Amino acid sequence: GENVEQHPSTLSVQEGDSAVIKCTYSDSASNYFPWYKQELGKRPQLIIDIRSNVGEKKDQRIAVTLNKTAKHFSLHITETQPEDSAVYFCAASPNTGFQKLVFGTGTRLLVSP
Amino acid sequence: DGGITQSPKYLFRKEGQNVTLSCEQNLNHDAMYWYRQDPGQGLRLIYYSQIVNDFQKGDIAEGYSVSREKKESFPLTVTSAQKNPTAFYLCASSPAYGELFFGEGSRLTVL
Repeated sequence: GENVEQHPSTLSVQEGDSAVIKCTYSDSASNYFPWYKQELGKRPQLIIDIRSNVGEKKDQRIAVTLNKTAKHFSLHITETQPEDSAVYFCAASPNTGFQKLVFGTGTRLLVSP
Repeated sequence: DGGITQSPKYLFRKEGQNVTLSCEQNLNHDAMYWYRQDPGQGLRLIYYSQIVNDFQKGDIAEGYSVSREKKESFPLTVTSAQKNPTAFYLCASSPAYGELFFGEGSRLTVL
């Protein structure tokens, strides 16, 4: 089955810096890669996703890149703000019509003012 | 107001007792899921259901049971066979090829 590894487990940056979180996956059949943000005490929420026919996707200060050959994908956050502080989860799925996602172990991002 | 509702938010159980966590959605989603969240281990899939009266085991189904008698409801029972049930449980739903929407979660503590 699919296995997703996520690094780093914690990441501390200064406000305004960039943050990068990396994930690798094992199943070459996976073709859907979402990222979820979970603020303290709240539910995970989708912030961006990418499908295997796309190499990069941007949404304002957030971008995701995908390298299918190397089986890794990354989340990039530019101009970080204190409200970006949260736990971020990557996930992978074969996207067979429903989201049987396999999640990474999460990255706790702390943005200091 | 559409959404996915989990109850109770906090639950305490004595060893040897079964407990049932409720999950209801009014988003008209076909698929529903139960995930377990433990510190440092991310979210792990317990059970999922694509359609009423059908469900499949996820990666950590042992000690859990589910039912899907209605499209809107997907309750999870944590049985006494679950060796380490203390955790945060998240229910989710999704349309076909769509994103997962999560509930607020239920925190179960075994005393």
